[in-house]
Amino acid sequence: GAGVSQSPRYKVAKRGQDVALRCDPISGHVSLFWYQQALGQGPEFLTYFQNEAQLDKSGLPSDRFFAERPEGSVSTLKIQRTQQEDSAVYLCASSLEGRTYNSPLHFGNGTRLTVT
Amino acid sequence: GNSVTQMEGPVTLSEEAFLTINCTYTATGYPSLFWYVQYPGEGLQLLLKATKADDKGSNKGFEATYRKETTSFHLEKGSVQVSDSAVYFCAPPIHQAGTALIFGKGTTLSVSS
Repeated sequence: GAGVSQSPRYKVAKRGQDVALRCDPISGHVSLFWYQQALGQGPEFLTYFQNEAQLDKSGLPSDRFFAERPEGSVSTLKIQRTQQEDSAVYLCASSLEGRTYNSPLHFGNGTRLTVT
Repeated sequence: GNSVTQMEGPVTLSEEAFLTINCTYTATGYPSLFWYVQYPGEGLQLLLKATKADDKGSNKGFEATYRKETTSFHLEKGSVQVSDSAVYFCAPPIHQAGTALIFGKGTTLSVSS
């Protein structure tokens, strides 16, 4: 595809519901990143995949957050038992290689999650 | 891990004014440094980068010089346009390994004609 695609664009969940956010990276991109962006803030790193391997999940805020990329392409970020503080824009980015100095991050437009 | 401090906005300028957005960082070694930009209604995109100390990155009239002695990577443009109105993010790598990036809080630039 032409760019990183995320779905849905908007998601409203009642507190306590589970949600799943999808990311389709650029075809052939090795690395995939998830970020969380609160209103008026910069993106905060959540997790990083190289192909299907999750190499860094140090940014996941709690064990309610889970991400996977089983075949090394599409990725899903799942949030269980959503809380109001989970409301944010969730950004996915992909890059051709594993090192940022060699290949830039290409971002999707994000999924705006609102927990009521 | 590394950290970044970015000048807070909003920054409001008239067209053709000079722009500086300050960015300082703490890092192990001399990582590559990046500026990303988010135009209204669009996703984040790379604006420019510098891959080693004393390098100057440039794009679309914007420049930033990697100053290792002051650990800074300030963004500058000599004459801003209305179309430059956007949010600008300074971003070094989180770790020396150079995979994921850490982003500053962002500086909103608003340019009026």
